[in-house]
Amino acid sequence: DAKTTQPPSMDCAEGRAANLPCNHSTISGNEYVYWYRQIHSQGPQYIIHGLKNNETNEMASLIITEDRKSSTLILPHATLRDTAVYYCIVRGYQTGANNLFFGTGTRLTVIP
Amino acid sequence: KAGVTQTPRYLIKTRGQQVTLSCSPISGHRSVSWYQQTPGQGLQFLFEYFSETQRNKGNFPGRFSGRQFSNSRSEMNVSTLELGDSALYLCASSPLGQGVAPLHFGNGTRLTVT
Repeated sequence: DAKTTQPPSMDCAEGRAANLPCNHSTISGNEYVYWYRQIHSQGPQYIIHGLKNNETNEMASLIITEDRKSSTLILPHATLRDTAVYYCIVRGYQTGANNLFFGTGTRLTVIP
Repeated sequence: KAGVTQTPRYLIKTRGQQVTLSCSPISGHRSVSWYQQTPGQGLQFLFEYFSETQRNKGNFPGRFSGRQFSNSRSEMNVSTLELGDSALYLCASSPLGQGVAPLHFGNGTRLTVT
């Protein structure tokens, strides 16, 4: 699976949009982009995933560039509870694709 | 639907002992994966089970093993514990061993080896 690059940390003011970037320049055509977050001492929580179109759910929006080499996770109105480590992962759908490579993620701190 | 359940939540063992951790996947999910998380190495894949068969294995020594039962529940075992095995062990389930459905994680078992 392709590897990803994320900034190690970011701050965001409470109530503002948090935009978390991810580079995945070696992504292949059958690989999806997934985002997870992990709050201290809990398991990773699935947020959203996409292939090439922008996606939105109740938690966040995912914007994938046209060349698919990068993406941005958007939390539209960050709250203190959104403070967590956010992981961007690329994953295929073939057998064995549940071997996820998490990387170091981005530590997002939401500031009151 | 209930989420992925891992037991016990915390465990303290002594070097040389063995330990068994348990994972109950989301109802209907047939694939169970295990991960180890440490401050130094981050989240690392251990192995995946699907229909009681190991489908994929990470780069861990043979002291780490697992199994899956016919009801998709899974256990992992670590024998001859070492101090470096202290970690958060996470279990994740997904409907199948392939496809785009995301993995869903439990809150882990925190193992401390003294």
